Amino acid sequence: GESVGLHLPTLSVQEGDNSIINCAYSNSASDYFIWYKQESGKGPQFIIDIRSNMDKRQGQRVTVLLNKTVKHLSLQIAATQPGDSAVYFCAENLNQGGKLIFGQGTELSVKP
Amino acid sequence: DGGITQSPKYLFRKEGQNVTLSCEQNLNHDAMYWYRQDPGQGLRLIYYSQIVNDFQKGDIAEGYSVSREKKESFPLTVTSAQKNPTAFYLCASSSQGETQYFGPGTRLLVL
Repeated sequence: GESVGLHLPTLSVQEGDNSIINCAYSNSASDYFIWYKQESGKGPQFIIDIRSNMDKRQGQRVTVLLNKTVKHLSLQIAATQPGDSAVYFCAENLNQGGKLIFGQGTELSVKP
Repeated sequence: DGGITQSPKYLFRKEGQNVTLSCEQNLNHDAMYWYRQDPGQGLRLIYYSQIVNDFQKGDIAEGYSVSREKKESFPLTVTSAQKNPTAFYLCASSSQGETQYFGPGTRLLVL
């Protein structure tokens, strides 16, 4: 069935290191992907998005990579900071009235 | 939270009671969404609306109802038919087909 999943439920990194969070998706018709950050007790916050006609997009300290061949999405965070500690979700747009399918999430923990 | 407000922040429901969660946006977005999030889980879609006076069921609509009388507002009612309502409820809005922006959430607890 259609699903978006994450390889690792938890990720612990040292402050200053780079973080890589992975996501697999199964619907090859999806044309739009989004990464969200959710801090405890708060709503998800948009980080970065990418359309299926691109394979890389960069923001401030974040990069999203899309590999359509293996249906894989990743979020790279450069120079990870304590404020980056949160749960990160990838979401897939099925092109069905704007509906998104969310993955389970990866909890990122940054050690000082 | 991007011009989307949800109230209240915490809500307590008694057995057999209907409760309504508020969601308002001032982003002029056509589409609005309600999600449920259980501890340690992702988001599951309850209902969504692409335009005023129209809405569709999501993946877990049973025990919930919505209305969309105004573009800015998309209230969610958790009815007594929802037997396990304890969760974190998130509202989102978007322009058609674009990024969804989320409100701060309402945590519903059962007494």
